[in-house]
Amino acid sequence: QKEVEQNSGPLSVPEGAIASLNCTYSDRGSQSFFWYRQYSGKSPELIMFIYSNGDKEDGRFTAQLNKASQYVSLLIRDSQPSDSATYLCAGVNQGGKLIFGQGTELSVKP
Amino acid sequence: EPEVTQTPSHQVTQMGQEVILRCVPISNHLYFYWYRQILGQKVEFLVSFYNNEISEKSEIFDDQFSVERPDGSNFTLKIRSTKLEDSAMYFCASRPTENNSPLHFGNGTRLTVT
Repeated sequence: QKEVEQNSGPLSVPEGAIASLNCTYSDRGSQSFFWYRQYSGKSPELIMFIYSNGDKEDGRFTAQLNKASQYVSLLIRDSQPSDSATYLCAGVNQGGKLIFGQGTELSVKP
Repeated sequence: EPEVTQTPSHQVTQMGQEVILRCVPISNHLYFYWYRQILGQKVEFLVSFYNNEISEKSEIFDDQFSVERPDGSNFTLKIRSTKLEDSAMYFCASRPTENNSPLHFGNGTRLTVT
C-alpha cells in the first residue's frame, strides 16, 4: 500500500475558480503534513504545512487535515495561471522521514 | 533568506563512472536528506543524515551510494559506479529539527548517465 496517495490529474480549472487537491495517507502515526509546489524541472517549494485537525489558511491557500479519515487537502482560491504546477503532498511517517505522494498536476486556464 | 545550494546543476557521466553530488545545507540545520526524482515520477527518499551518521536509508540506497559531511558545511552524495537508471534529479534537503519542521530543498542536480 502506498504511504501517500494523490490523484495524478491533470486537474484543470478556469482562472478565478477554486482548485481542490486531495491526498490520503496510510500511516496513522503520521503527525505532520506538507504541501509543496513543483514547477517542471524545478525543486519542490513549500506552500503550507499542517499538524492539527481542521483548516489552516494562508492567503489564497487553505490546508485541511482530517486524521480520522487520514485525509489532507489543499484548496487554492482565485486560481491563477501561475498556479499551474504539480502539487506534492507529503507526510512525515513514524520513522521520521518525509514521504511524498506522486503529485497532482494542476492546470489553470486563462 | 538562507537556502540550500547544490552543485553542479547538471552532471553528465558515463556508465560505470563515479559521481559526487554536492550540497551546502542551511547553516543552522541539523538534519540532512537526499531525494531523487526520475523524470515523470515521484520524489523518492534516499537517505537521511544526522549527527554525522546515516539515520535512515531506503531500498534504493544500496552499496553503490554513500553520503558524507566532510567539513561541517558540505554534504555529499557519491555514486560509485553509475548505471543508466541512476539518471534523475537529485535533491538535497535540510531542516533544523526532526519533528514537524518542513524540509528546505536545494535546486537539484540533474544527473544524466550515458
